[in-house]
Amino acid sequence: TQLLEQSPQFLSIQEGENLTVYCNSSSVFSSLQWYRQEPGEGPVLLVTVVTGGEVKKLKRLTFQFGDARKDSSLHITAAQPGDTGLYLCAGPMAGGATNKLIFGTGTLLAVQP
Amino acid sequence: DSGVTQTPKHLITATGQRVTLRCSPRSGDLSVYWYQQSLDQGLQFLIQYYNGEERAKGNILERFSAQQFPDLHSELNLSSLELGDSALYFCASSVGLWTGYTFGSGTRLTVV
Repeated sequence: TQLLEQSPQFLSIQEGENLTVYCNSSSVFSSLQWYRQEPGEGPVLLVTVVTGGEVKKLKRLTFQFGDARKDSSLHITAAQPGDTGLYLCAGPMAGGATNKLIFGTGTLLAVQP
Repeated sequence: DSGVTQTPKHLITATGQRVTLRCSPRSGDLSVYWYQQSLDQGLQFLIQYYNGEERAKGNILERFSAQQFPDLHSELNLSSLELGDSALYFCASSVGLWTGYTFGSGTRLTVV
């Protein structure tokens, strides 16, 4: 069974601090996606990484896909209160010919002003 | 506004009842996915439709069913509801079979 474990589960930091969220699996994924979900809303796609070792930057957010394509990380520089939310990694489920995604356990981030 | 519309936003119903959740995908998207989100299980895949046909099934209970209509909107039917069915139900859509998802705002179902 494919699983995506995220750590930490909860993170409360002060504005301006840096943080890293991890997404790990024992399975190889063809790609991984990162989403952010705010209260009362659905997850919003932030980025897709597809190549082992790939690094993508989205303003203050840096995403990395592990060389073996079993893990990914999200690093936020100088966090702001607007970064508060639930961060989810997701990858395509093995087998089948469709893009059904398995989602990670989630990291709840709170950035205090 | 993500372009994916889910109705209703909130639903409170009694055990044993049946409800229908509705989803209109983003314009041009042919794939519709249904997910259930609860505190203890996280986001769980239920079912996927592509251009009117069922393409994949996840851990969807037999009491649950779904369909996608010719205009591409989808409905998720939940019957014989139990307290444990209380959760957020999300619909997502994508253009094709291998592209990222756009989620709706969800339906919060409370079974009392």
